[in-house]
Amino acid sequence: DAGVTQSPTHLIKTRGQHVTLRCSPISGHKSVSWYQQVLGQGPQFIFQYYEKEERGRGNFPDRFSARQFPNYSSELNVNALLLGDSALYLCASSSSREKLFFGSGTQLSVL
Amino acid sequence: SQQGEEDPQALSIQEGENATMNCSYKTSINNLQWYRQNSGRGLVHLILIRSNEREKHSGRLRVTLDTSKKSSSLLITASRAADTASYFCATEVDDYKLSFGAGTTVTVRA
Repeated sequence: DAGVTQSPTHLIKTRGQHVTLRCSPISGHKSVSWYQQVLGQGPQFIFQYYEKEERGRGNFPDRFSARQFPNYSSELNVNALLLGDSALYLCASSSSREKLFFGSGTQLSVL
Repeated sequence: SQQGEEDPQALSIQEGENATMNCSYKTSINNLQWYRQNSGRGLVHLILIRSNEREKHSGRLRVTLDTSKKSSSLLITASRAADTASYFCATEVDDYKLSFGAGTTVTVRA
């Protein structure tokens, strides 16, 4: 079975631009979460979606938004990019609360 | 803010030696999980220990939990080069929402 897939793997943007990151969960997983990991730190929770509804939101500005589609795939959107948004963005899917399956991430660089 | 904090930040050991890292957290938990991350890519779930458990084993991994001290430890026995990675503890702060520490970077020297 395929694991969690994320696209693109790398992305370079300039300040003020908009970016869309995509995630396909493991088949059968209805929960998708997004995390931001800045170099040298642990992942920080951004969003969690379950059955297409937002179930949780971390301490991130409104420039960050997400959605989940009927096939449970998800998109993370970030508007008006700042240099500080440069990070590894991780998507995780799960079928229970006790184990998250992570994708390999999208490395975003904002210049 | 992060719920968990790992100690030490970095660890360098010889192949075959044991590696021990610790995690402290702030609030009551239902369970605590450990994840491994290779080269800044995706995290892999290693083991989960519930709040009513004190010790758990999985292969070469041994995890302990002391809820009175709000701390956990991860022991990797007989380390291998492939164990070189960053290790994170994570606690559930809400349904499906995990709070991760800053991690311990383990380097296993041949």
